[in-house]
Order: sequence, then C-alpha cells, then structure tokens
Amino acid sequence: AQRVTQPEKLLSVFKGAPVELKCNYSYSGSPELFWYVQYSRQRLQLLLRHISRESIKGFTADLNKGETSFHLKKPFAQEEDSAMYYCALLYGSSNTGKLIFGQGTTLQVKP
Amino acid sequence: SAVISQKPSRDICQRGTSLTIQCQVDSQVTMMFWYRQQPGQSLTLIATANQGSEATYESGFVIDKFPISRPNLTFSTLTVSNMSPEDSSIYLCSGAKSGYQETQYFGPGTRLLVL
Repeated sequence: AQRVTQPEKLLSVFKGAPVELKCNYSYSGSPELFWYVQYSRQRLQLLLRHISRESIKGFTADLNKGETSFHLKKPFAQEEDSAMYYCALLYGSSNTGKLIFGQGTTLQVKP
Repeated sequence: SAVISQKPSRDICQRGTSLTIQCQVDSQVTMMFWYRQQPGQSLTLIATANQGSEATYESGFVIDKFPISRPNLTFSTLTVSNMSPEDSSIYLCSGAKSGYQETQYFGPGTRLLVL
C-alpha cells in the first residue's frame, strides 16, 4: 500500500541556516510527489511539485527513486518560512487526483 | 486558481446528531474532495465528490456515515451523520481543475467538536 513518511514532527533552525525536511514514500507505481505548506492562520496550499523541477521561495525538492525520497531543501532559512509542511503522493490512476499526505513537519525558524 | 470557502467554520454538536458542511468554489473545478484531519494527525481522504453521481469513498469511509452531494461544478456538501466524539476533527474540502489534478486548492476547514 502507498505511504508517505515524514520522520520529523518538528524541525527548529536559526535564520540563515540550511533546512532539509525529509520525506520518504512507498508506492508501487510511478510516483508523483508534492510539498504543501500551511502558514499560521492560512489554508493549505501547494508549494511545489517534483515534475516541475521548480524552485519556489528558495525551496527545492529532488525525487530520488533509489532512496524513495523527496526531501525539501532551502539553503538559507527565513523567519517567514515557519509553517507546517506536508509531503504528498498522488496515487491511483493518473486522473483521479487522489493525494495521500505525510504526517507533516512543523518548521520553526528562530531569529 | 480557485478560492474555496466552507461553512460553518466551526461547530460544537451533540452526539447522535448530524452536521452538513458546505463547500463553495469561486470557479468551476473538475474534481472536489473531502478530507478529515483528526487531532494531531495528517489529512485523510474521505471521498471524491462526483458531479451528478454518487461519491467515491476511500477505504474505511461509507456513504451512510458521510453522505456527500455535488449538484454542480462549484458546490458540494458533506454530512457527518449520527456523530460521536470520535468524529471531532477538521473537515476540509478541496478542488482541482481539469489537467491539474494534483494542484488542489483547499478550503479553510470546518472544525467540529462532538460532545
């Protein structure tokens, strides 16, 4: 069965430090992975998807099929990056749109 | 993009009663979904709301407990029936447009407490 694992519930770093939020997945098909973010008092929103290979707000994520990982990285954390981050996997047939979410990691960036 | 609103934003209900949550999208979306987020847990997909037909439920969720309607491309409702304290959760609606199923736009959620 498909699964998304985010091993850290809380990640606390100082401003300017590098950040890596870990995400591992288990899926028998071809994975499509995403990072969603929820800032304080805001709704959940898409941050980035692996197929776009884009950098959003300085964040990048590379899909590593060998390690079944999709870690989110940023070289220099900012206070405004403090939020809850969810890794998500698209499963089922390609047009179902069904997502399975990891448990989420709270990123706390200290001044 | 799409902006999704939900009503009510929160409610406190007595066990044995039912609550209907409304989800309104400001533009047409192909797909709409309902999620549950139990305290301290991640989001779990309840069902896909299909326009004009019965919703598609995920394992562990049944229509009798969570009846869903979707009369058009911009509106859906989720009813939590015969509630118990275990139903206390945040319920979220999301929508996705055709060809961009993975980009789901989420509502603000409905926080439900069952006493």
